[in-house]
Amino acid sequence: DTGVSQDPRHKITKRGQNVTFRCDPISEHNRLYWYRQTLGQGPEFLTYFQNEAQLEKSRLLSDRFSAERPKGSFSTLEIQRTEQGDSAMYLCASSGAGEQYFGPGTRLTVT
Amino acid sequence: DQQVKQNSPSLSVQEGRISILNCDYTNSMFDYFLWYKKYPAEGPTFLISISSIKDKNEDGRFTVFLNKSAKHLSLHIVPSQPGDSAVYFCAATSTGNQFYFGTGTSLTVIP
Repeated sequence: DTGVSQDPRHKITKRGQNVTFRCDPISEHNRLYWYRQTLGQGPEFLTYFQNEAQLEKSRLLSDRFSAERPKGSFSTLEIQRTEQGDSAMYLCASSGAGEQYFGPGTRLTVT
Repeated sequence: DQQVKQNSPSLSVQEGRISILNCDYTNSMFDYFLWYKKYPAEGPTFLISISSIKDKNEDGRFTVFLNKSAKHLSLHIVPSQPGDSAVYFCAATSTGNQFYFGTGTSLTVIP
């Protein structure tokens, strides 16, 4: 297995557009996490899946954000009606138990 | 609220000397702590972890110390090498469902 992959690596979009990111976790990992990271900050938790069930969602996550993990494999994170404040690095991580393995991230720029 | 804090944004150390990175937390329910290293344009990479039932964990040149009464943990790197230059994040969790990260410390190891 080559690790956690994310697609796309970079996304530039205009304010108001919808964007969708994909994460493919390490195949045997049943836990999947999404984070957002801005400059000078650590990763900020967004949401957590165990298999296909979304078990945790940050209170900071607005209704414009939605995540899915159909069939408990890959996951998608959608942001509707993007705003300039959504510009950040979006990180995905997976784990079996214990430590998380991160993907390279998707850098979103909203113009 | 920032439940995990890294108060030193940066640290410079001579090659071969010890690097000590510090982390404080506020939530006494945290029972599992991790350190990650991050290079530019990559996702964080897991380094070492410690459970709250221990006060020390070693892995090669890396040792993590946990002081539960002070709600403090530290990462020691001995000897420091130029390849250790990166941003280091500490993280903590109480459930494994949500991880809280510090803001990071940028370590520079001077040859």
